[in-house]
Amino acid sequence: SQQGEEDPQALSIQEGENATMNCSYKTSINNLQWYRQNSGRGLVHLILIRSNEREKHSGRLRVTLDTSKKSSSLLITASRAADTASYFCATDAEETSGSRLTFGEGTQLTVNP
Amino acid sequence: GAVVSQHPSRVICKSGTSVKIECRSLDFQATTMFWYRQFPKKSLMLMATSNEGSKATYEQGVEKDKFLINHASLTLSTLTVTSAHPEDSSFYICSASGSGRIGETQYFGPGTRLLVL
Repeated sequence: SQQGEEDPQALSIQEGENATMNCSYKTSINNLQWYRQNSGRGLVHLILIRSNEREKHSGRLRVTLDTSKKSSSLLITASRAADTASYFCATDAEETSGSRLTFGEGTQLTVNP
Repeated sequence: GAVVSQHPSRVICKSGTSVKIECRSLDFQATTMFWYRQFPKKSLMLMATSNEGSKATYEQGVEKDKFLINHASLTLSTLTVTSAHPEDSSFYICSASGSGRIGETQYFGPGTRLLVL
């Protein structure tokens, strides 16, 4: 079965710095999605990148996808204290139906003011 | 748009009782709803997938008689934890997806924290 793995597991930076999180997966995908979770809350969808896309931007977020390496990265530029949260990648595998997602273990980002 | 609510947000119950958690899509029709379980500082574990009007598909290792799922309408799915035990204490999160392009993304509820004493 497919599993998303993220690194680093935890990342601590200063406000204003950029944060980069990586995600690797194992099988062919339809798309890869990034979600954010504040402590004790549900997940918020950040961005979706399809298998035929290589890069996508949304505000301060930049996502890349390398299907040959089966990896993706999420870059948050000019980070803010409010960006402190857990970030998860999730893959929609080609072999599954119904938009079933497999989540990675997550990266805990702490942005210090 | 694409708002999903969950109720209750927090529940404490005695061992042996049953607990029902509701998941509602407020502004779109959810053809598919998903139920996840999350342990502290861990990732989400998919428990089951439900499509409106049909039986839920459970992931391997998830007891369907323990975790009853009903998806009676396009806006409501319920998860009932039957005869709850302390090991069932966890954070339960639902998500919903629609049809077409909106079906590619899952919209998550705020989660329900269950504590079984």
